[in-house]
Amino acid sequence: ILNVEQSPQSLHVQEGDSTNFTCSFPSSNFYALHWYRWETAKSPEALFVMTLNGDEKKKGRISATLNTKEGYSYLYIKGSQPEDSATYLCAFMIYNQGGKLIFGQGTELSVKP
Amino acid sequence: NAGVTQTPKFQVLKTGQSMTLQCAQDMNHNSMYWYRQDPGMGLRLIYYSASEGTTDKGEVPNGYNVSRLNKREFSLRLESAAPSQTSVYFCASRGDREDYEQYFGPGTRLTVT
Repeated sequence: ILNVEQSPQSLHVQEGDSTNFTCSFPSSNFYALHWYRWETAKSPEALFVMTLNGDEKKKGRISATLNTKEGYSYLYIKGSQPEDSATYLCAFMIYNQGGKLIFGQGTELSVKP
Repeated sequence: NAGVTQTPKFQVLKTGQSMTLQCAQDMNHNSMYWYRQDPGMGLRLIYYSASEGTTDKGEVPNGYNVSRLNKREFSLRLESAAPSQTSVYFCASRGDREDYEQYFGPGTRLTVT
């Protein structure tokens, strides 16, 4: 059974704090690692798709790194803002399986003004 | 472009009733997916369709059937609803490359009493 673990499950920070979360995934049969941002009452939206070991991606104040050999990815948010409050999901894509994603349970971030 | 649309948005069923959840996308994507989301469980794949005319089971297919009616539409059917199927259901689609991001619909909140 393939397992994708995210930690922490929830995080409460103050506006302006920088924060990071972890996604652990199987290191075999790796094809891609996705990060999604999911706001309450909305649909998940893709942040990053990462495929190569050592990949680093950035979108504004949010960045992510990938280590496929040891099976983890970090998501960083610099200078958190209240609008960053959401659940952040990572998903592991298995090679040659029609694009199937195995999702972690998510990290719920709450940023207080 | 509407992206991925789902109907209905909300539904309440009694145990044993049947219903079909509809999903359509206007992005000319080949691959489509059905997920369910339960508290603390992240998103779990029910069924997916890599192309028109093909469907495959995901992690939690029991109690569900799917139809890929054409390239645009992918429906999910509950033949005999059970309380354990109370969940939020998301449809998603993906472009041609396996490592492309998935686009999610707004979700259907289903309650089975």
